[in-house]
Amino acid sequence: ETGVTQSPTHLIKTKGQQVTLRCSSQSGHNTVSWYQQALGQGPQFIFQYYREEENGRGNFPPRFSGRQFPNYSSELYVNALELDDSALYLCASSFLDRVTDTQYFGPGTRLTVL
Amino acid sequence: AQTVTQSQPEMSVQEAETVTLSCTYDTSESDYYLFWYKQPPSRQMILVIRQEAYKQQNATENRFSVNFQKAAKSFSLKISDSQLGDAAMYFCAYRRRTYKYIFGTGTRLKVLA
Repeated sequence: ETGVTQSPTHLIKTKGQQVTLRCSSQSGHNTVSWYQQALGQGPQFIFQYYREEENGRGNFPPRFSGRQFPNYSSELYVNALELDDSALYLCASSFLDRVTDTQYFGPGTRLTVL
Repeated sequence: AQTVTQSQPEMSVQEAETVTLSCTYDTSESDYYLFWYKQPPSRQMILVIRQEAYKQQNATENRFSVNFQKAAKSFSLKISDSQLGDAAMYFCAYRRRTYKYIFGTGTRLKVLA
């Protein structure tokens, strides 16, 4: 059984650029959630994808978007990067049923916006 | 709106001793789940323990146990026989029967040799 993986590990971008972050979910999971973790803070929920559809969204602007693929992997897209987007981006996968949904996290992608 | 509060930014414990990390939450729901996650310097969040709100019995995982007080909306984590490898940021998280996890701001645990 493989765990959650994310790529790249680190990324440096310039203000105004766009970025794509990738996540491979754990084997057997059908749901991917994305979180933004600013330095010294807890993770903040961005959105979740379940079976290729967005299944809920946190308080993030539309320039944060995503996609889930048939193999349940996912990508996070951030357009028009701002300095405040600098953070650790965490992906978590789970098997969404009506009773349990424990999320398992990847190692994260550290994004720096200059 | 649900909130999760961790009032201890940093805690220290001597190796082999016991430490308790505090977490309180605010919700009007009766059905939810609570979690403790550990985030070592390597960054990867690791699930430590989970508790279903409908269960009265406190969850236990080896050296880790919780004290779940539903009426008080309190969910503390006790680490027994602390080890150097326990040093990390610990996050308390809340989830309803929906998609969203809400995390606290974390407690940094230092383990002293």
